Amino acid sequence: DVKVTQSSRYLVKRTGEKVFLECVQDMDHENMFWYRQDPGLGLRLIYFSYDVKMKEKGDIPEGYSVSREKKERFSLILESASTNQTSMYLCASSQPRVTEAFFGQGTRLTVV
Amino acid sequence: AQKVTQAQTEISVVEKEDVTLDCVYETRDTTYYLFWYKQPPSGELVFLIRRNSFDEQNEISGRYSWNFQKSTSSFNFTITASQVVDSAVYFCALTSFFAGNMLTFGGGTRLMVKP
Repeated sequence: DVKVTQSSRYLVKRTGEKVFLECVQDMDHENMFWYRQDPGLGLRLIYFSYDVKMKEKGDIPEGYSVSREKKERFSLILESASTNQTSMYLCASSQPRVTEAFFGQGTRLTVV
Repeated sequence: AQKVTQAQTEISVVEKEDVTLDCVYETRDTTYYLFWYKQPPSGELVFLIRRNSFDEQNEISGRYSWNFQKSTSSFNFTITASQVVDSAVYFCALTSFFAGNMLTFGGGTRLMVKP
């Protein structure tokens, strides 16, 4: 069974903290993605990676960075968390061709 | 630029009713792909269907059916005889070769099926 696993379901962090969200996939997929989900706005792409050490900005990269040192792992980093980054974060992976993406269960981050 | 609009933010039906979720898209690409995903309360998005722009045939899978019409740039999703387990948020999404496999999502439609 294919699996995308996010390290935490719920996180509460303080303003100004550095936050790491981890995502691991076991399908040997080339592409990995980080989305942010907010009510009424759907999912918006923050960053994606099509290979190890490769990354591309999505629609809303400001305030975020990413790291992909190994094919199976894609980390999202909030350099200095702010309250407007309180949201649900979803990781996904897919093959290089246009195929369906597989999603993790999401991390609900609250920044106080 | 690509855009997906799901005008219905929330729909409430009673079990066994049929319900249609609307999806309208915009793209300048001639080759593109449309998707529907279901997000149950557990949070994980579940893939339901993919359609490419050259295949306008409607598709049926059990109680689910999809109507793709290029003339109106719509890809609507119908659930027949809805059940409580269908309660979820449903997302329509779009990508194309030139979008680099990046999905553009609509805002989602929350479907509540009451017993």
